[in-house]
Amino acid sequence: GDSVTQMEGPVTLSEEAFLTINCTYTATGYPSLFWYVQYPGEGLQLLLKATKADDKGSNKGFEATYRKETTSFHLEKGSVQVSDSAVYFCALRNTGGFKTIFGAGTRLFVKA
Amino acid sequence: NAGVTQTPKFQVLKTGQSMTLQCAQDMNHNSMYWYRQDPGMGLRLIYYSASEGTTDKGEVPNGYNVSRLNKREFSLRLESAAPSQTSVYFCASPGQQSGDTEAFFGQGTRLTVV
Repeated sequence: GDSVTQMEGPVTLSEEAFLTINCTYTATGYPSLFWYVQYPGEGLQLLLKATKADDKGSNKGFEATYRKETTSFHLEKGSVQVSDSAVYFCALRNTGGFKTIFGAGTRLFVKA
Repeated sequence: NAGVTQTPKFQVLKTGQSMTLQCAQDMNHNSMYWYRQDPGMGLRLIYYSASEGTTDKGEVPNGYNVSRLNKREFSLRLESAAPSQTSVYFCASPGQQSGDTEAFFGQGTRLTVV
């Protein structure tokens, strides 16, 4: 079945450091890919998405490119801030599917 | 626009007690989901409802029941709570049934079973 694997955390960075959180997926067909962010005590909210191969999703300085050849959707940010501290989830949803499949989440801590 | 609203936000139950978690969405969406979130395991799908009047099991349905009361409301019931059901529960609803739309989440219910 469909699945998402993302790097284990926690990831601890200093402010202004470069961030990469790896995500790979297994899916039949052509899924849409998402990154969600969860701030402490809150529900998940969409950070960015890409719906087809080679698309780049971006938001709030974060970017991720849909790489079909490597089945990957890695999240990057050039300069993290303390306010980026959160848990980040990679997810996929297949065409015509009702279910969104989530990775295990990666907790990010950013130190001032 | 409230989006997805869950109640309660916190609950402590004794083993064997029952309770119902409520979820309502005001976005006129067809699909609604219940997930549980456990450390290191991400979100696991408990049940989902593709449309009013239908419900289906997800990954971890044992110990739970659901009711899709109408298009707006989708409740999750624990008939006899167990400590293994201590978790954070999220209700979610995607915008459309096509694959490219994201899910909108409630703020979660933190449940502790003692």
